[in-house]
Amino acid sequence: NAGVTQTPKFQVLKTGQSMTLQCAQDMNHNSMYWYRQDPGMGLRLIYYSASEGTTDKGEVPNGYNVSRLNKREFSLRLESAAPSQTSVYFCASLFRSSYNSPLHFGNGTRLTVT
Amino acid sequence: AQTVTQSQPEMSVQEAETVTLSCTYDTSESDYYLFWYKQPPSRQMILVIRQEAYKQQNATENRFSVNFQKAAKSFSLKISDSQLGDAAMYFCAYRRETNFGNEKLTFGTGTRLTIIP
Repeated sequence: NAGVTQTPKFQVLKTGQSMTLQCAQDMNHNSMYWYRQDPGMGLRLIYYSASEGTTDKGEVPNGYNVSRLNKREFSLRLESAAPSQTSVYFCASLFRSSYNSPLHFGNGTRLTVT
Repeated sequence: AQTVTQSQPEMSVQEAETVTLSCTYDTSESDYYLFWYKQPPSRQMILVIRQEAYKQQNATENRFSVNFQKAAKSFSLKISDSQLGDAAMYFCAYRRETNFGNEKLTFGTGTRLTIIP
C-alpha cells in the first residue's frame, strides 16, 4: 500500500504566486488533515475534513483553502503565497476503527516562498 | 483549548543508555488519548506509542515505554538501550475523546534527540 501520498515533495514560489498541494490516501480513511511544521512550533493544524464534502478550520487557516474532492483526495491551496507560509506541510489521514486510532502521515512538502 | 508542552528542545544520550523525554498537557477532559511520534531526518512521521487516559497501566512497545501520570497531566517517554536509529525529533500529541468526525491531534513543539556513539 502507498499509504498517504503528497505531491510535490519540494516547491519554491515567489510572493503572490498560487499553488495547490495534493494529497491522496488509499487506505479508505474517513478523516484527512493538513498540518504545517515550523521550527520551534511543532505541527499546527490548518484544515481538516471529517468526511467527503465537509471541511473545517484548524488552528492556522488564514491564507489557505482546501477541497475534499472525494474520499481519497484532500488538497490544500495557497491563493497568494507569502513568505510566512514557508514551511513543511504534512497531509494525514485517520480511519475511525477506534478512538485511539493514530494519524497516518504523508512524507511532507517543503515549501519556500521568496 | 488543549495545549501540549515539551520543555526540552534538545536531549542527548549515550548509545545503549536510557533517556526520558518529558511532555505535559493541559486539559479539562477526563477521557483522552496521548501519542508519541518520531520524526527522523527523512521527515517521515512514525507512531511510537499511544496511551488511553482511562488505562492506569503504562503503555510499552519494546524499548519504548511511557510514564503516564494523569493527575499531574504528564506523559513522558522512556527509551531504553538507545540505538543510533533512535536519533530523531520526538513529538508528543493529545487527542480528546470526541464524536467521530472531530478527531484532531494537538502536538507539542518537539524534542530533538541525539544519540552519542
